[in-house]
Amino acid sequence: EAGVVQSPRYKIIEKKQPVAFWCNPISGHNTLYWYRQNLGQGPELLIRYENEEAVDDSQLPKDRFSAERLKGVDSTLKIQPAELGDSAVYLCASSLDLAGQETQYFGPGTRLLVL
Amino acid sequence: DAKTTQPNSMESNEEEPVHLPCNHSTISGTDYIHWYRQLPSQGPEYVIHGLTSNVNNRMASLAIAEDRKSSTLILHRATLRDAAVYYCILRVQGGSEKLVFGKGTKLTVNP
Repeated sequence: EAGVVQSPRYKIIEKKQPVAFWCNPISGHNTLYWYRQNLGQGPELLIRYENEEAVDDSQLPKDRFSAERLKGVDSTLKIQPAELGDSAVYLCASSLDLAGQETQYFGPGTRLLVL
Repeated sequence: DAKTTQPNSMESNEEEPVHLPCNHSTISGTDYIHWYRQLPSQGPEYVIHGLTSNVNNRMASLAIAEDRKSSTLILHRATLRDAAVYYCILRVQGGSEKLVFGKGTKLTVNP
């Protein structure tokens, strides 16, 4: 079974440029998460989708970050414009929401460096 | 979300058991204890979880104190591939689906 796929794996951009990350979750998983992980820290949730609906985006900086999950499958996270402090690893995860203690499956992440 | 406390780092020798501690003194009766680990340059992966009783799976064992205020992840025979950051996380039954990560314990395995 294929895992969570993310692209690109690495991205280097200059500040004020836009950037987008793509995630394809495990087939059949209805819940999708985007986390951000700063160096030396654990991941922090940015947004959670149940199917195509964003059910928790309280930690998403909405002035520059946006996300979408059209058709409730793959998802895109965008930053426009990027700032130096956005340098981090952006992780996508998915789970099959059965109202229990479902395991979250993570992709390898996209490492972003903003210069 | 209730908080957990873990040592910043631990070291082990290959093929020896490793006991990774986690304190969660403010745990509530409906909190499950989850462990994830993150290998270098990879996303976190699920290891094990439990509520009250000790749990075993192919990766590890989870020992939960009787008062549930602490738990220990046990790797029975550490290998070099077990070198990772291990996160102890509390999840509420029926609550938010997000995982609240701390800094975790960085495990170094010496050959």
